[in-house]
Amino acid sequence: GNSVTQMEGPVTLSEEAFLTINCTYTATGYPSLFWYVQYPGEGLQLLLKATKADDKGSNKGFEATYRKETTSFHLEKGSVQVSDSAVYFCALASLGRLYFGRGTQLTVWP
Amino acid sequence: DAGVTQSPTHLIKTRGQQVTLRCSPISGHKSVSWYQQVLGQGPQFIFQYYEKEERGRGNFPDRFSARQFPNYSSELNVNALLLGDSALYLCASSLRTEVIEKLFFGSGTQLSVL
Repeated sequence: GNSVTQMEGPVTLSEEAFLTINCTYTATGYPSLFWYVQYPGEGLQLLLKATKADDKGSNKGFEATYRKETTSFHLEKGSVQVSDSAVYFCALASLGRLYFGRGTQLTVWP
Repeated sequence: DAGVTQSPTHLIKTRGQQVTLRCSPISGHKSVSWYQQVLGQGPQFIFQYYEKEERGRGNFPDRFSARQFPNYSSELNVNALLLGDSALYLCASSLRTEVIEKLFFGSGTQLSVL
């Protein structure tokens, strides 16, 4: 079946620190992969995506590379800001629906 | 253009009651999906509708039902509410069912069952 496993949170960092949030997946075939972000009191916003192996998705300084050999899609950012504090969800798409991980709470302190 | 709008934003019900949640998709979007997000978990797929027809259903009991109207808006109904139905219910829209790379989410309806 389809599933996504995310690293457990919460993650607490100082401003300008390096961020990695691990994500691995199980799927039939080669699904599209996504990172969504959820700010307090809001719905989900697409952060970045990758549709095939070795693709790199990027947006707002965040990056993730679709690794077929390790079935991973880890999220990285070189220098986090206080405004990046949110919950981050890794997801895969299959047959018109999304399968999400549990989410990782990120808090960035000034 | 307005994004995906959901109403109400918050709702409190008691066990055994019924609830209806509403969703208006982005103009021009014909596909609507519903997701349930329990506190501390990722969203789980409930339903997908396209052109008023059900195109997918997640692993939820028959107490959950939905429909889509000619204007592409949608309603999610939950009967005989249980405490475990307390969650954030998210609606998402896209142009077509397969265009999941451009799926837009609403802010959700927070349902509390007491």
